[in-house]
Amino acid sequence: AQSVAQPEDQVNVAEGNPLTVKCTYSVSGNPYLFWYVQYPNRGLQFLLKYITGDNLVKGSYGFEAEFNKSQTSFHLKKPSALVSDSALYFCAVRANSGYALNFGKGTSLLVTP
Amino acid sequence: DAGVIQSPRHEVTEMGQEVTLRCKPISGHNSLFWYRQTMMRGLELLIYFNNNVPIDDSGMPEDRFSAKMPNASFSTLKIQPSEPRDSAVYFCASSLGGGDTQYFGPGTRLTVL
Repeated sequence: AQSVAQPEDQVNVAEGNPLTVKCTYSVSGNPYLFWYVQYPNRGLQFLLKYITGDNLVKGSYGFEAEFNKSQTSFHLKKPSALVSDSALYFCAVRANSGYALNFGKGTSLLVTP
Repeated sequence: DAGVIQSPRHEVTEMGQEVTLRCKPISGHNSLFWYRQTMMRGLELLIYFNNNVPIDDSGMPEDRFSAKMPNASFSTLKIQPSEPRDSAVYFCASSLGGGDTQYFGPGTRLTVL
């Protein structure tokens, strides 16, 4: 079985400060890890993914994520938050041999001016 | 590319009525996924098609739900009869292959009264 946990329902950050959205996972075998963002009344937009290689993955809109195998984590980060980053963020995992994505419950990010 | 297209964007219907949701995947993608998003259960995979063939429908809630993919550019998700507990946002996603990055449509917000 595979699963994802996003321990924070909401993260509040001041504009210009660094942000971190946490994600831990459980999967049999090597994990494929994804981050998606959802703006109000919109679909999920792909941000970045980790399959193999460098543990630091860079994605869209200045976001990056760090894969940590020993801690089974894949936290999303951005050095300087923008108000426009305010949205719902989903972490997802699938096994390397599969197709089904298991999503976390989502974390609401609020960036205040 | 226009991305994944879904219609209608909003649907309000009465209990017992038939509802049909439509999806056009990204051209060239051979895998298509239907998801349901609710506050209580988050994002759930309903069904997965590969090359127009249903591969995994274990997430389909019950016999009231059915999905078809008559060709590579069109899929439908039908609910008959609809019930208030079916109220949710239904997303369609497509990918090049089953294990590749999934790209989501804008979703259909279904309300069953």
